[in-house]
Amino acid sequence: DTAVSQTPKYLVTQMGNDKSIKCEQNLGHDTMYWYKQDSKKFLKIMFSYNNKELIINETVPNRFSPKSPDKAHLNLHINSLELGDSAVYFCASSQEAGGAYNEQFFGPGTRLTVL
Amino acid sequence: AQSVTQPDIHITVSEGASLELRCNYSYGATPYLFWYVQSPGQGLQLLLKYFSGDTLVQGIKGFEAEFKRSQSSFNLRKPSVHWSDAAEYFCAGGGGFKTIFGAGTRLFVKA
Repeated sequence: DTAVSQTPKYLVTQMGNDKSIKCEQNLGHDTMYWYKQDSKKFLKIMFSYNNKELIINETVPNRFSPKSPDKAHLNLHINSLELGDSAVYFCASSQEAGGAYNEQFFGPGTRLTVL
Repeated sequence: AQSVTQPDIHITVSEGASLELRCNYSYGATPYLFWYVQSPGQGLQLLLKYFSGDTLVQGIKGFEAEFKRSQSSFNLRKPSVHWSDAAEYFCAGGGGFKTIFGAGTRLFVKA
């Protein structure tokens, strides 16, 4: 069974469109994350939810809106896509929100290409 | 400010040679430290972690890392590199809700 899964794996879309990426974890973890990895492999935290509550909200355009319907799911919706949004987006989960149990389990990533 | 620095953007080693990837951290207190590996087209996988106790930690795939408080370092080592170790390696540190990742070191392995 896949621990952290994301769909879709690839997403190619036009500028101005709205798209969503879904993430699910079956590890029973309380905390989930969205990261953006740019072309230079730099990994930047975007959001984190703990028990469906937003606890990290980095400086991200408000075109990006996370939604956590339950502890096992964290979706990312992006409005009015721009060229600069092209990147690989990773979902991750951890047992707790901080401390020694913050080791994170990552999904396979979603490669978003905006044309 | 909290930070994690990986000084080497990329490193090339011969198969069978030893490896050391550098990581320096800047935190107010001892952070929780991690090393992750990312193979091409994959997500990140945890290699090992340190949060207290023995400063030499063993991980998966034959990797180990040593925490040195005096040098603010947490370097990753492997005595004999295999071609399958070619990947991107990320050092990370956490002291609160947020884990900060280094910029990554790309490892190339030559035959």
